[in-house]
Amino acid sequence: ILNVEQSPQSLHVQEGDSTNFTCSFPSSNFYALHWYRWETAKSPEALFVMTLNGDEKKKGRISATLNTKEGYSYLYIKGSQPEDSATYLCAFYNQGGKLIFGQGTELSVKP
Amino acid sequence: SAVISQKPSRDICQRGTSLTIQCQVDSQVTMMFWYRQQPGQSLTLIATANQGSEATYESGFVIDKFPISRPNLTFSTLTVSNMSPEDSSIYLCSVSENPYNEQFFGPGTRLTVL
Repeated sequence: ILNVEQSPQSLHVQEGDSTNFTCSFPSSNFYALHWYRWETAKSPEALFVMTLNGDEKKKGRISATLNTKEGYSYLYIKGSQPEDSATYLCAFYNQGGKLIFGQGTELSVKP
Repeated sequence: SAVISQKPSRDICQRGTSLTIQCQVDSQVTMMFWYRQQPGQSLTLIATANQGSEATYESGFVIDKFPISRPNLTFSTLTVSNMSPEDSSIYLCSVSENPYNEQFFGPGTRLTVL
């Protein structure tokens, strides 16, 4: 059984705060790690697809790192804005080709 | 990227009835998937919709309960049969050009079963 764990489950921050979330996944048979942002009443949107150990990707104020040997990825948001409020999902692809999602971290940014 | 629409966006249904959810993509895509998110749970893959053949179901999901059609490369339906309150979930379709690339999701169908 493969488990993808995300923490924290929810996070409430003030506008301007920087924050980070954790995604833990099985370190064996790793193929790729995805991060998605899911805003209420919208479609989940891909943020990053990461495949290499030590990978670091950045999109605007959001960045992510990947450690495949120890099985974790961090997502960072610098200077959170109210429009960053969403559920952030990570998903693990093993070599069997099945995408397994974590439960998500629900971020709320107050003005 | 692909633009995906789903119908209906939400529905409230009675126990024992069935609901068919449609997923339309604005371009031909190789792979199409159906997911479910029950309250407080993670997104779970129900099945891969295969064009012109039977869908490939994940463990715990069966064709009699979740029949899927995919008549062409831009359209698929998922039916939730003989519904019970436990089927209350968000159902999403997604597409991808290969199993390991990012997936593009539809907006979801929010189903409540009374």
